[in-house]
Amino acid sequence: GQSLEQPSEVTAVEGAIVQINCTYQTSGFYGLSWYQQHDGGAPTFLSYNALDGLEETGRFSSFLSRSDSYGYLLLQELQMKDSASYFCAVYSSMNRDDKIIFGKGTRLHILP
Amino acid sequence: DGGITQSPKYLFRKEGQNVTLSCEQNLNHDAMYWYRQDPGQGLRLIYYSQIVNDFQKGDIAEGYSVSREKKESFPLTVTSAQKNPTAFYLCASSMLQGNYGYTFGSGTRLTVV
Repeated sequence: GQSLEQPSEVTAVEGAIVQINCTYQTSGFYGLSWYQQHDGGAPTFLSYNALDGLEETGRFSSFLSRSDSYGYLLLQELQMKDSASYFCAVYSSMNRDDKIIFGKGTRLHILP
Repeated sequence: DGGITQSPKYLFRKEGQNVTLSCEQNLNHDAMYWYRQDPGQGLRLIYYSQIVNDFQKGDIAEGYSVSREKKESFPLTVTSAQKNPTAFYLCASSMLQGNYGYTFGSGTRLTVV
């Protein structure tokens, strides 16, 4: 079967750095992506990693280690507006029609 | 600007009623998806479609139906057979190749009264 694990909640302080981890178990893996969702809003696409290493986009970076079946989202210089839920999602050829599977999400709380 | 439009934003359904949620996209995306999200939960796939006039069941299709008569449109009907329909419904679309991001609509919050 397939599984994705990410913490249900993370708390950090404004201006700090936070890392949200995601471990996955699947065969036919070919990519990991991250989405942000504010309360009552639509998920928005943040990043996609197909190869090992770190991808940086402004204050957000995403990392993938295929050998460890592990990835993380790194948020720097946290702002209050970053308070949201963050979902990792796996792309796998094991999924019929290559559709993605979402994790249950990590709720990020930011303290002033 | 291109995007996905879901309507209505809020919908109230009486017991035993069928209701239809609208989803329209002008991104020229091939694939469209319907997800259900319950409080504090992730996204569960209801139905998806990769081409016009074809669609596939997701993980929780029972009590739901869809159609894909046009590339731009993928309406979802919540039937009376769905016993616990109160949830947040999200529509998404994507290209089939070369773009790995899903674009989501702003969602419809369905409540049974």
